Amino acid sequence: SQQGEEDPQALSIQEGENATMNCSYKTSINNLQWYRQNSGRGLVHLILIRSNEREKHSGRLRVTLDTSKKSSSLLITASRAADTASYFCATDAHGNNRLAFGKGNQVVVIP
Amino acid sequence: DAGVIQSPRHEVTEMGQEVTLRCKPISGHNSLFWYRQTMMRGLELLIYFNNNVPIDDSGMPEDRFSAKMPNASFSTLKIQPSEPRDSAVYFCASTNGQSSSQHFGDGTRLSIL
Repeated sequence: SQQGEEDPQALSIQEGENATMNCSYKTSINNLQWYRQNSGRGLVHLILIRSNEREKHSGRLRVTLDTSKKSSSLLITASRAADTASYFCATDAHGNNRLAFGKGNQVVVIP
Repeated sequence: DAGVIQSPRHEVTEMGQEVTLRCKPISGHNSLFWYRQTMMRGLELLIYFNNNVPIDDSGMPEDRFSAKMPNASFSTLKIQPSEPRDSAVYFCASTNGQSSSQHFGDGTRLSIL
């Protein structure tokens, strides 16, 4: 699992399966964001969830946030080979865009 | 629309040389961030600007690093003199407004020999 702020983890799954990765953090937050990074490229924003939200969906992505446990999860449903990437969570403690990134989860989707 | 543009994409130089990395943020974005990514430390924030003014440079590793943003459409990160431990991928990102997602460039892969 990641810690917003995290321990890196590698996940290898078959195409069509779901991929779940977790993120924990230490301080109170204004929002939490998930990013994807393909090899050799910059990070791409996937989804932002605010501290007063518990769940958010975007296409095949589902993010949950549990502020009492200071944790978040990212679920990718029906994974595709193109989902192969590293996924990072980042916390914004004060709503000023200063993000603290974890070290990422590497996901490999096998066709 | 053009995204964040960084140059060069790759830089290989010998230690002791001056290195200048360049970034053009997305037009209209008022915040700009410089990050460094390594396997050991992950993604570290070096410095960020709001409306061209440096707000927090606490992540700048040492005096050898400096960053400027002379106008809303251009920023530089300079390392002088460079050392092998500066080898990393350097990213620039920009954003518009509070609590917004950041848009990253594709980075500069820097190798100091």
